[in-house]
Amino acid sequence: KQEVTQIPAALSVPEGENLVLNCSFTDSAIYNLQWFRQDPGKGLTSLLLIQSSQREQTSGRLNASLDKSSGRSTLYIAASQPGDSATYLCAVPYSNDYKLSFGAGTTVTVRA
Amino acid sequence: EAEVAQSPRYKITEKSQAVAFWCDPISGHATLYWYRQILGQGPELLVQFQDESVVDDSQLPKDRFSAERLKGVDSTLKIQPAELGDSAMYLCASSEASGGNNEQFFGPGTRLTVL
Repeated sequence: KQEVTQIPAALSVPEGENLVLNCSFTDSAIYNLQWFRQDPGKGLTSLLLIQSSQREQTSGRLNASLDKSSGRSTLYIAASQPGDSATYLCAVPYSNDYKLSFGAGTTVTVRA
Repeated sequence: EAEVAQSPRYKITEKSQAVAFWCDPISGHATLYWYRQILGQGPELLVQFQDESVVDDSQLPKDRFSAERLKGVDSTLKIQPAELGDSAMYLCASSEASGGNNEQFFGPGTRLTVL
């Protein structure tokens, strides 16, 4: 089974600073990697899905990179805003049925 | 925009009682997943359906949990009897198919508290 690790567990930055969130996984034979956002007590919102053949994927202020060989992905959030405060989780499919294995998430606080 | 629907959003129950959660996936999505998320952790898969068939329920505590998707559309997850350790967020997700390139879309979840 895939082991997914996210470091740091929590991050606090002043508004305007760029955010860098890390995700590592143990099995590099992945089909894709998904980044999600979760607000307190809420469900998951998909932010980006990066295919295994891609090196990066961008959506607005978000950019995700993928290095399969080293088992790492990084989510960059430019010019952070207080509304970016949430928990960010990464997930990769494992097994032939492509079930998702999640990291525990990084909880981000952006201070106004 | 199509969304995964779940109800109820919150449920408080006493231990030994029965509880049930409902999920309606995005229309046309053949694959449906139930996840359990304990506070501070990532979601873990409980059961996966392909249409009306269970594909994987290896992590489902079958002595007390059951799940069904009778017509291959909406689904129900039941716990009987509930235990204190079942307190968690229960998330439903769906995707067009079970292939590795199929993005999973999540519902708002049901927060269960067992007293």
